[in-house]
Amino acid sequence: KNQVEQSPQSLIILEGKNCTLQCNYTVSPFSNLRWYKQDTGRGPVSLTIMTFSENTKSNGRYTATLDADTKQSSLHITASQLSDSASYICVVSEVNYQLIWGAGTKLIIKP
Amino acid sequence: DSGVTQTPKHLITATGQRVTLRCSPRSGDLSVYWYQQSLDQGLQFLIQYYNGEERAKGNILERFSAQQFPDLHSELNLSSLELGDSALYFCASSTRDRNTGELFFGEGSRLTVL
Repeated sequence: KNQVEQSPQSLIILEGKNCTLQCNYTVSPFSNLRWYKQDTGRGPVSLTIMTFSENTKSNGRYTATLDADTKQSSLHITASQLSDSASYICVVSEVNYQLIWGAGTKLIIKP
Repeated sequence: DSGVTQTPKHLITATGQRVTLRCSPRSGDLSVYWYQQSLDQGLQFLIQYYNGEERAKGNILERFSAQQFPDLHSELNLSSLELGDSALYFCASSTRDRNTGELFFGEGSRLTVL
């Protein structure tokens, strides 16, 4: 069964610090891998979409990396801000274009 | 603002009742997706429509049904409601079919079944 697993489940860091969130998946082959940010009680917002041929993609202070060989992706957040407090969700699209959603990492930024 | 509009934002009802959730996609988007998110859980895909036709089905219960109208808005009907149906229901839209494009999510409809 195709799965997407994220770690850690939750993370607390101080404002201004960097952090890296991990995503491991078993979906193979896959069409694309996405990272979403979801504020509590709000709809997810797309951060990055990477095809299997892309290794890295940035969106401001967010940088996603992808290693298709090891089936791992990471989301690096630089110089965290209080507004970065949210759940970050990794989503992998199968070649039949069904999306497999991870459970998310809950990130809390403390002042 | 994603451009996707969902109504109502909040809904409280009793077990056994029926409700309808409405979604207006972004202008020009032909695909509409429905997701369910229970408390502290991940998003569960329910169903997708593209230009009025059902395209993909996820873990949608038989008590639930949906449709997309000619003006591209969509409705999700939930009937014989149970306590476990309490959740956030999200609608997302996309220009493309088959999850190849970016998904834009609405703010959700929070359903509470008492």
